[in-house]
Amino acid sequence: SQQGEEDPQALSIQEGENATMNCSYKTSINNLQWYRQNSGRGLVHLILIRSNEREKHSGRLRVTLDTSKKSSSLLITASRAADTASYFCATAGGVQNDMRFGAGTRLTVKP
Amino acid sequence: EAGVAQSPRYKIIEKRQSVAFWCNPISGHATLYWYQQILGQGPKLLIQFQNNGVVDDSQLPKDRFSAERLKGVDSTLKIQPAKLEDSAVYLCASSRSSYNEQFFGPGTRLTVL
Repeated sequence: SQQGEEDPQALSIQEGENATMNCSYKTSINNLQWYRQNSGRGLVHLILIRSNEREKHSGRLRVTLDTSKKSSSLLITASRAADTASYFCATAGGVQNDMRFGAGTRLTVKP
Repeated sequence: EAGVAQSPRYKIIEKRQSVAFWCNPISGHATLYWYQQILGQGPKLLIQFQNNGVVDDSQLPKDRFSAERLKGVDSTLKIQPAKLEDSAVYLCASSRSSYNEQFFGPGTRLTVL
């Protein structure tokens, strides 16, 4: 299985600080995706990065992918209290491009 | 565009009873997924459909879980009989293809007593 594993499991920062979450996986992938889940709500897609890409940006989000190290990172700059949520990486691989999610990083941004 | 719809939102049943969940994906999305999310964990893929065909059900407990996607649109997931450890949120997601981002529904929270 190419399931991602997030690190750290929990992160607490002050509003305005940057937050970095890491994801490691074990087998080759086609793409890696980051999702956000607010407490008690559904998952929202943030960024998809393909295996031939190294970095992608979306607003205050920056994702990097290092396929040689089988790892990815999600950086949230200038965090806000509204960024408080669980963040999951999901790897897609194999012939059918099936998805495997990690256990997530719980981010708390204190106002 | 309308999002992924799921029903019911909540369900409480006794163990050994049966339950069914319904999902209506975003129009035009060929790929549909069912996930099980246990509290404190990430979503676990149960089954993935491409149109009305199953492409991955390797993590589906087939002795008690079944799913179908008739006509390549709506899908139902059934548990029969339910066990206590089936208590979880069941999420449905859809995407244009398996290489695109997934859009998730609000989920069905199942409690098995």
